Amino acid sequence: GENVEQHPSTLSVQEGDSAVIKCTYSDSASNYFPWYKQELGKGPQLIIDIRSNVGEKKDQRIAVTLNKTAKHFSLHITETQPEDSAVYFCAASKGTGANNLFFGTGTRLTVIP
Amino acid sequence: NAGVTQTPKFQVLKTGQSMTLQCAQDMNHEYMSWYRQDPGMGLRLIHYSVGAGITDQGEVPNGYNVSRSTTEDFPLRLLSAAPSQTSVYFCASSPPGRNQETQYFGPGTRLLVL
Repeated sequence: GENVEQHPSTLSVQEGDSAVIKCTYSDSASNYFPWYKQELGKGPQLIIDIRSNVGEKKDQRIAVTLNKTAKHFSLHITETQPEDSAVYFCAASKGTGANNLFFGTGTRLTVIP
Repeated sequence: NAGVTQTPKFQVLKTGQSMTLQCAQDMNHEYMSWYRQDPGMGLRLIHYSVGAGITDQGEVPNGYNVSRSTTEDFPLRLLSAAPSQTSVYFCASSPPGRNQETQYFGPGTRLLVL
């Protein structure tokens, strides 16, 4: 199967600073890389995703980059706000269906006001 | 749409007891899945279903059963609860078509097995 590693496990930043979370994957067949945000007491929610045919994707303050050669992808959050505090999960998928989707271990982001 | 709903929100069981975690979705999604979330281990797939009447095992299926008699419902049964099954359980569903990889998660069930 796929092995997805995520770093760091915890991250604290000052409000307004940027946050970067990095993930690596092992299976070169993986072609879809979503990021989920999990707020306290809730289920994870998709915030951004990228497919292997692009290297970067942006959505307002959030961006994801993908390096297929190195098999790593990153989440970038700029101008962080307290409401960005949550646990973030990366994932890698090599096909449709939950059996082909593999999650990282999560990063707890704390934005200090 | 209510999305993906799960009941109960919280449950305490004694070792050896059985119970069913309920999951329902009203988005007409074909794919449904069950995950467990443990500290430092992310989300691990227990069982999944690609449609009514079809189920299959995920990464950690032991001790759990599922069935999918309708498109909307996907219950997870714990046959004989063990302390190792203390976890937060999430049900998820996926739409048909190109976005099948996108998971829509329910709010979770926190289970404590004593």
